[in-house]
Amino acid sequence: GDSVTQTEGPVTLSEGTSLTVNCSYETKQYPTLFWYVQYPGEGPQLLFKVPKANEKGSSRGFEATYNKEATSFHLQKASVQESDSAVYYCALSAPNSGGSNYKLTFGKGTLLTVTP
Amino acid sequence: GGIITQTPKFLIGQEGQKLTLKCQQNFNHDTMYWYRQDSGKGLRLIYYSITENDLQKGDLSEGYDASREKKSSFSLTVTSAQKNEMAVFLCASSIWDQDTQYFGPGTRLLVL
Repeated sequence: GDSVTQTEGPVTLSEGTSLTVNCSYETKQYPTLFWYVQYPGEGPQLLFKVPKANEKGSSRGFEATYNKEATSFHLQKASVQESDSAVYYCALSAPNSGGSNYKLTFGKGTLLTVTP
Repeated sequence: GGIITQTPKFLIGQEGQKLTLKCQQNFNHDTMYWYRQDSGKGLRLIYYSITENDLQKGDLSEGYDASREKKSSFSLTVTSAQKNEMAVFLCASSIWDQDTQYFGPGTRLLVL
């Protein structure tokens, strides 16, 4: 089956430093790749998604490139802020036999804490 | 825009008890999902429903029942709560042929 593996947390960074959260995936399909972010007390919310290989997604200063050859989708930010403290989930959606995408496969999540 | 509401926000139960969690969405989305979130294990799919009265098992359906009586609501029942169980149950919804899911805030379960 499909699987997603990401950086094990927790990750603690000082404000202003750079962030990389590694994500690799396995699937026999052609997936869409996602990054979700979950703030304390809330449900996950979409950060961005990338449906095509070799394209980049970005939002709020975060970015990731869909690397089909390396089966990776690493999340990066040049300068983190205290407000970026959250859990980050990498996920994939691959089409089912009917051609419609119904299920997301999530990584285990990476807890990021940014200190002032 | 829209919102997903989950009730209750906190649920404390006894071992062996049957517990029901409810989810309502006003996105007018076709597909709804229930996930279980445990620390260090990510999100695991319990049940999903493509449309009203449809039910599909996810990877973690044993020990749970689900019900989708109308398009806007999706209920999950823990058939026999396990002692010391602690988890967050997340409800989500999506348009039927699109893969972006929108999540509710979760119900936090504790079994004594």
